[in-house]
Amino acid sequence: DAGVIQSPRHEVTEMGQEVTLRCKPISGHDYLFWYRQTMMRGLELLIYFNNNVPIDDSGMPEDRFSAKMPNASFSTLKIQPSEPRDSAVYFCASRRSGTPNQETQYFGPGTRLLVL
Amino acid sequence: DQQVKQNSPSLSVQEGRISILNCDYTNSMFDYFLWYKKYPAEGPTFLISISSIKDKNEDGRFTVFLNKSAKHLSLHIVPSQPGDSAVYFCAASEDNYGQNFVFGPGTRLSVLP
Repeated sequence: DAGVIQSPRHEVTEMGQEVTLRCKPISGHDYLFWYRQTMMRGLELLIYFNNNVPIDDSGMPEDRFSAKMPNASFSTLKIQPSEPRDSAVYFCASRRSGTPNQETQYFGPGTRLLVL
Repeated sequence: DQQVKQNSPSLSVQEGRISILNCDYTNSMFDYFLWYKKYPAEGPTFLISISSIKDKNEDGRFTVFLNKSAKHLSLHIVPSQPGDSAVYFCAASEDNYGQNFVFGPGTRLSVLP
């Protein structure tokens, strides 16, 4: 099992540019989560999907952020336009429904984003 | 305003000794708690959990203690090993079926050989 796959692993961009982060969840998992990690705020849940449908996007910081899940094996998190304060590590995670314990949430390796 | 706090950003412990990582929370509705461990360049991985109906849960060298009245939990690692050096995140939720976990900022543990 390849685990949760994220790309790119590192992204450096200039302020104002569009950034797209990608995630492939574990096959068979029907929940997908996007998190952001910063030194100040730790790990924050941005949005999660169930069966490709966004369920809760209350953690998305502002309209510059958007997330899509066009099919069960792919999701994107887009920032447009990007700002230096968006610099963080972005994690994607997935889990299978029917498993009550939250320990079954598997994280990808993260994308480290730096906006100059 | 952080609902889950880990007031020690870092901790250093000698190999073989006990590591104690602390976590405090403010939301009295939280009743399910987890610890995640994160190595550099990897995503967090689940370590151990505890439900509010318990005050202790043990898994090998790892034990989590919960004090609901104090809104405090701690992770004990005994004995500590160099491979335990990582960032440890405390997380809390209002139930273990919920999806919205609130994470603390993490504590970086260094176990010195």
